[in-house]
Amino acid sequence: DAMVIQNPRYQVTQFGKPVTLSCSQTLNHNVMYWYQQKSSQAPKLLFHYYDKDFNNEADTPDNFQSRRPNTSFCFLDIRSPGLGDAAMYLCATSRERGISYEQYFGPGTRLTVT
Amino acid sequence: SQQGEEDPQALSIQEGENATMNCSYKTSINNLQWYRQNSGRGLVHLILIRSNEREKHSGRLRVTLDTSKKSSSLLITASRAADTASYFCARYTGTASKLTFGTGTRLQVTL
Repeated sequence: DAMVIQNPRYQVTQFGKPVTLSCSQTLNHNVMYWYQQKSSQAPKLLFHYYDKDFNNEADTPDNFQSRRPNTSFCFLDIRSPGLGDAAMYLCATSRERGISYEQYFGPGTRLTVT
Repeated sequence: SQQGEEDPQALSIQEGENATMNCSYKTSINNLQWYRQNSGRGLVHLILIRSNEREKHSGRLRVTLDTSKKSSSLLITASRAADTASYFCARYTGTASKLTFGTGTRLQVTL
């Protein structure tokens, strides 16, 4: 009955080697989000898609990109991972965009950069 | 920073006791949400309280909101070991889709 699925759960990549994290949802929600969460910190929004409309946060590094080929899937691409990009990456969805909607989170992908 | 502050940062209690976590914020809100995060996992939505509500209940959870003090509290009654997790308050800031989380409270419930 998984609703927001993230693969892989654990990813190890080398410094500078591109990596892609994936997220899929069975909720048919319009909005998909990517958050970065470092150890013992709050999740921080990187960007979100409202349908096909991409919305980047002003302080998200250019190193981070995203793709949403269809309603169900969303990808996070890190072009040249640095040691500081080691974190948990959380994907979330909401039915619509707006302040009354709760967000549904996947289990996260823990990224290690060696 | 628009990030909310939560206190305490960490809380350790015994099973059966009540746990209270507090959240303060700086800007006006339409609603405030609480999420739980088990260790190394994603977040789970617990409860949403609107700005015109003062108190809301869901099972063993009770949330209060004081907009004059810009603060909210989450009370977990009769805690269980399974309640061990981090708890975050969150509210929408800036654009409608930006959910900003507080700093979180790590709750440890021991047997």
